[in-house]
Amino acid sequence: SAVISQKPSRDICQRGTSLTIQCQVDSQVTMMFWYRQQPGQSLTLIATANQGSEATYESGFVIDKFPISRPNLTFSTLTVSNMSPEDSSIYLCSVSGSGYYEQYFGPGTRLTVT
Amino acid sequence: SQQGEEDPQALSIQEGENATMNCSYKTSINNLQWYRQNSGRGLVHLILIRSNEREKHSGRLRVTLDTSKKSSSLLITASRAADTASYFCATVLTGGGNKLTFGTGTQLKVEL
Repeated sequence: SAVISQKPSRDICQRGTSLTIQCQVDSQVTMMFWYRQQPGQSLTLIATANQGSEATYESGFVIDKFPISRPNLTFSTLTVSNMSPEDSSIYLCSVSGSGYYEQYFGPGTRLTVT
Repeated sequence: SQQGEEDPQALSIQEGENATMNCSYKTSINNLQWYRQNSGRGLVHLILIRSNEREKHSGRLRVTLDTSKKSSSLLITASRAADTASYFCATVLTGGGNKLTFGTGTQLKVEL
């Protein structure tokens, strides 16, 4: 299994600003994913971060709002842009290896927008 | 919409009792997985069951899958206070690559 870290672990931001969340893995991985978990809810996939190409977004999520970078096989960032209180959530990254379906999750970033 | 619906939404039991959670899904799957989440933190993978499997065990965990009913259950035997967490089923749809679609989750509380 991979060890995944996220920064920051939590943040309180003002509406209209942007926050970039970092996800670092201790080994090279094929697949990286970003999820949102709204308060008291389940996880919703935002996008799959592809190394060397644009991320693949799920329905309801757009690149302008959630730009994602993946410069190499161990690192990715998710930016939450022009934030509103509705963006208050836990944001989690996860990884899986080629040929494996299990995903390993980072500890999450708890975002509060005021 | 969520692929999986879980019931119960919340479950409270005494230590030593068994806990059963159920998950239903809507479309054809490649596999179904169960994850645990403690207090809004990252998720921990518990067990994966493939669509051609009916039952799987891992320690105190037992998972069943009924593809004809599109349902799965997770049984935790001899529960402990440390099992207190939220439990989510997640499906990989047929032809869906590695993407996970999560269920609504069950909050389990194990009391001493």
